[in-house]
Amino acid sequence: GAVVSQHPSRVICKSGTSVKIECRSLDFQATTMFWYRQFPKKSLMLMATSNEGSKATYEQGVEKDKFLINHASLTLSTLTVTSAHPEDSSFYICSARDGSGKAKNIQYFGAGTRLSVL
Amino acid sequence: QQPVQSPQAVILREGEDAVINCSSSKALYSVHWYRQKHGEAPVFLMILLKGGEQKGHEKISASFNEKKQQSSLYLTASQLSYSGTYFCGTEKIGNEKLTFGTGTRLTIIP
Repeated sequence: GAVVSQHPSRVICKSGTSVKIECRSLDFQATTMFWYRQFPKKSLMLMATSNEGSKATYEQGVEKDKFLINHASLTLSTLTVTSAHPEDSSFYICSARDGSGKAKNIQYFGAGTRLSVL
Repeated sequence: QQPVQSPQAVILREGEDAVINCSSSKALYSVHWYRQKHGEAPVFLMILLKGGEQKGHEKISASFNEKKQQSSLYLTASQLSYSGTYFCGTEKIGNEKLTFGTGTRLTIIP
């Protein structure tokens, strides 16, 4: 149980294009999902918290107009990197929080998306 | 503020034990431990709630001292599969977000 699917796993795009990353909880409902960014050999840095049916909450320093987050259902959240530039190249990881009684507050992670902007 | 983990890196021979520490400057509600292999997603290991809880399964266990705002992960009789980077994720009281620690790279050699 507790599987989170993230697609695509890798994307290469030209500078100026937009890229959409999907995060799905496959076997549980996730009222809250999180988006992280990870640089090589570094820790996970939280970008935003995504709540179903409401606007995402962004961390300080994260541009909301550049990183658009939509949490359309209890099992799907998307991150769109708009007008991507080489400095946006990174490993993006989503997680979904299982809010049920048994596994309260545990975050399960997707496999990550490696974005390379040329 | 990011929790500090120690050591930053450790190399062990198969069968040896390891302790990884996580220290926070904030009052904590819970501590989560994850292991991440290169290029992969972090995998959940265990969660500890405030109350001085200690948990474990098989050869991996952990403790949480809420007064000191510290947690430790214990790996006994390490196996090759234990290699990876270990992160603690701390959750503050009243805040559902996790703040991940600086990470500890563990390498197990035969």
